[in-house]
Amino acid sequence: AQKVTQAQTEISVVEKEDVTLDCVYETRDTTYYLFWYKQPPSGELVFLIRRNSFDEQNEISGRYSWNFQKSTSSFNFTITASQVVDSAVYFCALSEAGTGNQFYFGTGTSLTVIP
Amino acid sequence: DTGVSQDPRHKITKRGQNVTFRCDPISEHNRLYWYRQTLGQGPEFLTYFQNEAQLEKSRLLSDRFSAERPKGSFSTLEIQRTEQGDSAMYLCASSLGRAGNTIYFGEGSWLTVV
Repeated sequence: AQKVTQAQTEISVVEKEDVTLDCVYETRDTTYYLFWYKQPPSGELVFLIRRNSFDEQNEISGRYSWNFQKSTSSFNFTITASQVVDSAVYFCALSEAGTGNQFYFGTGTSLTVIP
Repeated sequence: DTGVSQDPRHKITKRGQNVTFRCDPISEHNRLYWYRQTLGQGPEFLTYFQNEAQLEKSRLLSDRFSAERPKGSFSTLEIQRTEQGDSAMYLCASSLGRAGNTIYFGEGSWLTVV
């Protein structure tokens, strides 16, 4: 079974629009960690955020914000006032304390911001 | 720049040849990971080292694959008798400390088997 599901394969928005990328995870561990990475066309995965399962506070960093809801096993990512430089593939990932040596990645959401 | 570095960035090889990729992690990081990514997919875990010890291997890592981290610093991933299905990007990542900490990726090594 897929531990991390990113149902949106591709999204296109016009510059300055807000966009939310969905992530749903599955785990039986009570302690786990969630991550978002950005992969621009150059290929390198760039770390964006890490949350642990005990911290459900939403986080805002500039135009980026994250909404973590344990009740729905979701960790969604919103970009406000999107820019062309936000065009990339975004991956959500899960690391479980019980098997913490590997990260489980979703299949990614390809975001295109149209100028 | 003291991030994770990988070499070569691109490799084209004929089926049946051996290839080797090198990864230099962030210097103080004791954990090193190898992942594989194919087009349209997320990275898939291959193997993991803590210092020089290889502690976990995925079922994806067939007998033709071998990874080493001889002195707990850089690592190599060798693929013997390459097959077309090995074509992918091979990603190295490193982290500090315990499980659940953030892993930082290199730029990846693209392998094309023709």
